[in-house]
Amino acid sequence: LAKTTQPISMDSYEGQEVNITCSHNNIATNDYITWYQQFPSQGPRFIIQGYKTKVTNEVASLFIPADRKSSTLSLPRVSLSDTAVYYCLVGDTGRRALTFGSGTRLQVQP
Amino acid sequence: GAVVSQHPSRVICKSGTSVKIECRSLDFQATTMFWYRQFPKKSLMLMATSNEGSKATYEQGVEKDKFLINHASLTLSTLTVTSAHPEDSSFYICSASPRDGELFFGEGSRLTVL
Repeated sequence: LAKTTQPISMDSYEGQEVNITCSHNNIATNDYITWYQQFPSQGPRFIIQGYKTKVTNEVASLFIPADRKSSTLSLPRVSLSDTAVYYCLVGDTGRRALTFGSGTRLQVQP
Repeated sequence: GAVVSQHPSRVICKSGTSVKIECRSLDFQATTMFWYRQFPKKSLMLMATSNEGSKATYEQGVEKDKFLINHASLTLSTLTVTSAHPEDSSFYICSASPRDGELFFGEGSRLTVL
C-alpha cells in the first residue's frame, strides 16, 4: 500500500482558501486518491476522490499532477466548522482496506 | 449516500468482561468490512478485514482471540473485545464499501474499560 505524507498541522482564518498537499511517491497504477475529514469522536467522512487531473464537488477540489505522486485538497472559503483532521489515502479499490497516514490537523480561526 | 452504522456509540465496561460492537451497512450489501481502532490524537490503525462467510484477516500484532470478528450476513459484522482491559479502551471504527472506489465509515464506538 502506498505511503502518504502530509503536513501535521495547518492554521487558517475564516473565508480563506486552504490547500493541503499530500505526497504519495509510490502510488500504483490502479490506485485512487481519496480524502477524508474527521471530527473528534466521529468516523471519517468522505470528501472527494480522484485518479488524475482535477476533480471538483460541492465541498472541495482535488488537484492531481500528471505523475500522480502528490495531490492537493483545496477547501474554498473555510469556516470554523472545517476545523478537523484531514486524511489523504491511496488505494486501488474500496474493497480493500486503506492505510491511514498521520493526517493534517486544520485549525480555522475567526 | 451509503451509510454504515455502528452500535453502541459508547460503552463502559468492567475489566475482564467482553463487549460486542456491531457494524451494519444500512443500504447496501458488504462482503467485506474493515475494523480500525484509534487512540486519542492518533490516526486510525487497521485491525482486521471482516469477510462474510469466512474467517477475518487480522493485521500483524492484533490478537485474533482477543478481538473476535464475525461477519454472519452481508450487512452485519461484529467485533467482540474479549476479557477487556483498560489498555483496550479506544475508539473503534468500522468501514465498508458498496462498490469499488468508495469506502464509508461508521460513526465509531468509544470503549472505556474500567
